[in-house]
Amino acid sequence: EAGVAQSPRYKIIEKRQSVAFWCNPISGHATLYWYQQILGQGPKLLIQFQNNGVVDDSQLPKDRFSAERLKGVDSTLKIQPAKLEDSAVYLCASSSRDRGSGNTIYFGEGSWLTVV
Amino acid sequence: AQSVAQPEDQVNVAEGNPLTVKCTYSVSGNPYLFWYVQYPNRGLQFLLKYITGDNLVKGSYGFEAEFNKSQTSFHLKKPSALVSDSALYFCAVSSGGSYIPTFGRGTSLIVHP
Repeated sequence: EAGVAQSPRYKIIEKRQSVAFWCNPISGHATLYWYQQILGQGPKLLIQFQNNGVVDDSQLPKDRFSAERLKGVDSTLKIQPAKLEDSAVYLCASSSRDRGSGNTIYFGEGSWLTVV
Repeated sequence: AQSVAQPEDQVNVAEGNPLTVKCTYSVSGNPYLFWYVQYPNRGLQFLLKYITGDNLVKGSYGFEAEFNKSQTSFHLKKPSALVSDSALYFCAVSSGGSYIPTFGRGTSLIVHP
C-alpha cells in the first residue's frame, strides 16, 4: 500500500516569497491533515479536511496560509508571503474514517521549508 | 483540552540495555494513545497504539508500551536497545471527544554502541 506522498521534499525561499506544498494521501483515506513541525517541537495541527470540507482550521494563520482539497483527494498548502518563523517541516497525514480504531494517522515524509 | 508531557528531552542508553521513554497525558474521557518515531530528515512513523483492552501493547521493531490509567502514563519500552533505535520519539493522545491527536514535544533517544 502506497503511503502519503508529499512534494517538494526541500524548499529554500526568501522572506516575502510564496511557496506551495502538495500532498496525496493514502488511497481511500477521507481525512487529510497538515501539520507544522518546528525544530525541537512536536507537530502542530494547521488544518484538517474531511473529504473536501474543512473540519478544523483554527490554528492556521489565515493571513498568510491557505489550503485546499478541491476533489477530496490530494491537497495543496500555500504560504504567501513567507516569514522567517515559517521555517519548519510541513507534514501531511491521512486517516480513514474508522474512529473505532482510534483514528491512527499516517504521515508523509514531510516538506522541509527554510525561509531566508 | 488534551495534552501530553514527555518529561525527558533526551534519553541515553547503551546498546543491549533496556530502554524506557516516558509519556504522561491528560484527556477527558477514555484516551487513545500513540507512539511515533521520527528518523533524521524523515516523517513520523507509527509504532503502536492503545485503544482498549490489554494494558501492554506491542508494536513495530520490538517496542512495547504500557498503559497505566491510575498514573495517566503510557511509557514506551524495549528490552534490548539497538543503535538503529536512535531517533526522536513522539507520544500522542486523542479521545472520543476529539479524534485529532495532540503530540508531545518529543524525546531524543540516543543508543550508544
